[in-house]
Amino acid sequence: DAGVIQSPRHEVTEMGQEVTLRCKPISGHDYLFWYRQTMMRGLELLIYFNNNVPIDDSGMPEDRFSAKMPNASFSTLKIQPSEPRDSAVYFCASRGTDEQYFGPGTRLTVT
Amino acid sequence: QKEVEQNSGPLSVPEGAIASLNCTYSDRVSQSFFWYRQYSGKSPELIMSIYSNGDKEDGRFTAQLNKASQYVSLLIRDSQPSDSATYLCAVEQKDTGRRALTFGSGTRLQVQP
Repeated sequence: DAGVIQSPRHEVTEMGQEVTLRCKPISGHDYLFWYRQTMMRGLELLIYFNNNVPIDDSGMPEDRFSAKMPNASFSTLKIQPSEPRDSAVYFCASRGTDEQYFGPGTRLTVT
Repeated sequence: QKEVEQNSGPLSVPEGAIASLNCTYSDRVSQSFFWYRQYSGKSPELIMSIYSNGDKEDGRFTAQLNKASQYVSLLIRDSQPSDSATYLCAVEQKDTGRRALTFGSGTRLQVQP
């Protein structure tokens, strides 16, 4: 298996622009998680899905953030409009029975 | 009080020594425990999982769990410079139905050659 796939790996954008991050989970995993990691706040859970249904979005910072999972093999995290404080590494992770595996992450820089 | 606490370090050990990484958690219903290793600029990598009290060994790694004391640790024997990384402790509270892991802030380990 290729593991969790994320794209793009790096994204540099200007404040106010829309940003879309993409994730393909490990085949057969029915849980998908979006995290954000910064030096100041560590690893934060933003939202997670079970069988494509959002279960807990309490970590989503504000309405500028939205996430979708239209099918079992694809999810997006969208930020609109982006702000400099959104600069971070965004990880997608998927989980089957017990163990959770992370994707390589997307490093987002908002100038 | 944070739900999962780790000493941020850095923990510095000489090559060949045993590195001991510790983690405490606040919720007694936590049932599953995981250790992740994260190299600088990389994503967290799962290295150990433990579900019951006692020790679990995998190569140079040993995870130790004491649910009564709400304490989980990771021992790395014969530490190598390549073990230098941040180690994240994560717990899951299965009884609540919540399948999301709660992560500690991580302990940075430095193995000196």
